[in-house]
Amino acid sequence: DVKVTQSSRYLVKRTGEKVFLECVQDMDHENMFWYRQDPGLGLRLIYFSYDVKMKEKGDIPEGYSVSREKKERFSLILESASTNQTSMYLCASSLDGNTEAFFGQGTRLTVV
Amino acid sequence: DQQVKQNSPSLSVQEGRISILNCDYTNSMFDYFLWYKKYPAEGPTFLISISSIKDKNEDGRFTVFLNKSAKHLSLHIVPSQPGDSAVYFCAASAWHSGTYKYIFGTGTRLKVLA
Repeated sequence: DVKVTQSSRYLVKRTGEKVFLECVQDMDHENMFWYRQDPGLGLRLIYFSYDVKMKEKGDIPEGYSVSREKKERFSLILESASTNQTSMYLCASSLDGNTEAFFGQGTRLTVV
Repeated sequence: DQQVKQNSPSLSVQEGRISILNCDYTNSMFDYFLWYKKYPAEGPTFLISISSIKDKNEDGRFTVFLNKSAKHLSLHIVPSQPGDSAVYFCAASAWHSGTYKYIFGTGTRLKVLA
C-alpha cells in the first residue's frame, strides 16, 4: 500500500519561529509537492521537486523554502512563521505527469 | 489567474440521484486531468482521471467526461450515496520548466442527503 507520511497532524507555532514540515514517501517517486489548502482558495502549490536537490517554485513560494536531500523526503520550511501562514499543508508525490499524485494526511498549522 | 476553475462552491443532491460536478480550464496544453475527494482533516484521495486523448472514463459509480473544445470536464456520480459527501477537487497536469505540476481548482463541497 502506497504511503505519503507527514510528520505531524497538528502544529501550533509562535510568530517568528522557524517551522519545519516533513514529508516522506515510500513509493520511490521522483516528484514531490507541497500545497496549502485554504477555504475558498483550493489547493495552491508552494514548491515542488522533480529530483534530489532540485526544486521549483510553485504559485505561492513567498515565505517558504524547501529541502530535498534524499529522494524519499521533502521538507517545507517556514523561515519566520506569520499568522497568514496558518493553514492546512499537504504533501504529495507522483511517478510522472500522467499518473495520479498521492497525498499525505495533511498538517494543520496554526501560527499564533 | 485561476487556470482551473470550479464555479460551484457547493452542491446538494438526494441519495440515489446523480451528482454532477463541473470544472473549467483555460490552458489548452493540459493533457491529463484528475478528480480528488477530500474529507475534513484528511489528505485528498484520488478518484478518477482522464487523458486529453479521451472524452470519457468510467470507474464504477464515477464517470469523468472531457470536452476539449469547451475546455470543460465533469464528474458524474451515480447513484450518489451519503458517504460521497466531501469536497471534490479537479486538477490538471501541466508541463513546466522540464517537469510538470498539478494545478487544482477551488473545490466543490458535495452534500448527499439521505
